[in-house]
Amino acid sequence: AQSVAQPEDQVNVAEGNPLTVKCTYSVSGNPYLFWYVQYPNRGLQFLLKYITGDNLVKGSYGFEAEFNKSQTSFHLKKPSALVSDSALYFCAVYKAAGNKLTFGGGTRVLVKP
Amino acid sequence: NAGVMQNPRHLVRRRGQEARLRCSPMKGHSHVYWYRQLPEEGLKFMVYLQKENIIDESGMPKERFSAEFPKEGPSILRIQQVVRGDSAAYFCASSPDGYGYTFGSGTRLTVV
Repeated sequence: AQSVAQPEDQVNVAEGNPLTVKCTYSVSGNPYLFWYVQYPNRGLQFLLKYITGDNLVKGSYGFEAEFNKSQTSFHLKKPSALVSDSALYFCAVYKAAGNKLTFGGGTRVLVKP
Repeated sequence: NAGVMQNPRHLVRRRGQEARLRCSPMKGHSHVYWYRQLPEEGLKFMVYLQKENIIDESGMPKERFSAEFPKEGPSILRIQQVVRGDSAAYFCASSPDGYGYTFGSGTRLTVV
């Protein structure tokens, strides 16, 4: 069965510092991987996805993620965090056989001024 | 394109009442998904529908919950005889291809 894990419930970072949100996956075959962000009382917004091609994927709001097949990871990164990046971040994996996204438990990011 | 529209945004029901949550997918999207988010938790898959068909309902509770996506009109998630444990945010997503999801803003159900 496909699954995705986000090992950190919360990440705290100072504004201007690099931000990393970790995600590992377990799926047979080639994974389709996604990152979404959720602001308070809002729905999920798409940030970026990896389907195939370059391992470094660039997305919205200055975020990027690196697909690492050997480590089965898809960590989300931002070189310089903003206070407005404080939100809940979800990693997700899609498998065609199931035809649905499976989400990790989420990581709350708090960027302090 | 107005995006995925969910209504109502907030819904309060007394225990034992019925809750109806509506989701209008984006134009051209034939895949609809419902997810539930309990407070301080992640999103749990409930059901996947295409027009007039339930494709995967493996995440739906066996009793009291049902979903439909009729040929005309929005998708409906129906919860009968609600209990306090049903209080959650319910999100709908639609997709043209099965994985390019667009989410709605959710319906926050409170059972009192």
